[in-house]
Amino acid sequence: KQEVTQIPAALSVPEGENLVLNCSFTDSAIYNLQWFRQDPGKGLTSLLLIQSSQREQTSGRLNASLDKSSGRSTLYIAASQPGDSATYLCAAPRGVWNTPLVFGKGTRLSVIA
Amino acid sequence: DTGVSQDPRHKITKRGQNVTFRCDPISEHNRLYWYRQTLGQGPEFLTYFQNEAQLEKSRLLSDRFSAERPKGSFSTLEIQRTEQGDSAMYLCASSLIGQGEYEQYFGPGTRLTVT
Repeated sequence: KQEVTQIPAALSVPEGENLVLNCSFTDSAIYNLQWFRQDPGKGLTSLLLIQSSQREQTSGRLNASLDKSSGRSTLYIAASQPGDSATYLCAAPRGVWNTPLVFGKGTRLSVIA
Repeated sequence: DTGVSQDPRHKITKRGQNVTFRCDPISEHNRLYWYRQTLGQGPEFLTYFQNEAQLEKSRLLSDRFSAERPKGSFSTLEIQRTEQGDSAMYLCASSLIGQGEYEQYFGPGTRLTVT
């Protein structure tokens, strides 16, 4: 059974700092992993999708890594800005070709100006 | 490509009433998912369709819940005899299976409040 855990639950940093959000998953038989952003009261915005064949995926100031052997993924945010304040969710499929996603509880990020 | 849309965005209802939500996926996407999210938690899977076929229902989906996807286009989620525990954000997502990517795109959600 796939379980996803995110650490820390909340993080507060000053503007400009680089930061890392952590995600761990129990079933490594997955073909991809997604990171999402959620603003309060809103839906989910897909940030990055990492295929199992990739180790990293980059989009602007965001970089996500995937290590299936250790069951871990990280989301790196460079030069954080107040507009980055949101909840970041990691999601893994239930298993290979088993596409419903299992989500962590998220990391609530606050970037202080 | 207008993205995934959901209607209504907010619904307030009294306990015992029936409610229906609609989801319009990205037009060429063949898979459609429903998730539910309560405060402080990540979304939890409810059910999903491939084209018009409902492939799975989570045990979270009691017999008061029913979902349809007629003609493999939009989907509806109905909750009968609503209870206060049904209060949550209901999220819809779609994806294209068969192209090797499987990225899921989410709509803005429908926030249900049962009083």
